[in-house]
Amino acid sequence: DAGITQSPRHKVTETGTPVTLRCHQTENHRYMYWYRQDPGHGLRLIHYSYGVKDTDKGEVSDGYSVSRSKTEDFLLTLESATSSQTSVYFCAISESASYEQYFGPGTRLTVT
Amino acid sequence: TQLLEQSPQFLSIQEGENLTVYCNSSSVFSSLQWYRQEPGEGPVLLVTVVTGGEVKKLKRLTFQFGDARKDSSLHITAAQPGDTGLYLCAGAPLDAGGTSYGKLTFGQGTILTVHP
Repeated sequence: DAGITQSPRHKVTETGTPVTLRCHQTENHRYMYWYRQDPGHGLRLIHYSYGVKDTDKGEVSDGYSVSRSKTEDFLLTLESATSSQTSVYFCAISESASYEQYFGPGTRLTVT
Repeated sequence: TQLLEQSPQFLSIQEGENLTVYCNSSSVFSSLQWYRQEPGEGPVLLVTVVTGGEVKKLKRLTFQFGDARKDSSLHITAAQPGDTGLYLCAGAPLDAGGTSYGKLTFGQGTILTVHP
């Protein structure tokens, strides 16, 4: 299994508070991705990174920001959490743009 | 925006039955992947199909990529309770200029339940 961890695994937070989710990999893969998963929507890409300090927006990026200061860490920040951001968040990594992605175990976030 | 429509969304069958899950789009993809996800875990890659018309087999699972590379199917023979899970297809865009950065488009998923 690819070495990917996500923290925290579960979080409950209040509307309006900032939240940061962490994805850590030990595979030295160049590409990293953040997705959210909601019933009936499959996985939707929030942001992605193609190298240290190189990031870009995905299809559902509003209200989210990311940072990647080291190869192994990709942080997702909800600047001011809203109830619509209640979801399960997955990080994925890929060695190249070959599209085979390996996923972390997910973070379940509840915004009350 | 490329879209992938997966059907059916839900499938509940008895052990031993056969089933097919479909993944369709009006867009052409350079490759298509199938993932399986169990509750509380991340998706796990099952297979990647690249060539139009390609068929790949993984034990009782057969994956096919359409000739025009716009659709794919997953067929399970003699389903077992261990096959229960969420099945996701994901398409990779035609990578003109190498700017897609490996981004995938996912279908909505098919929740499969196999009863003993």
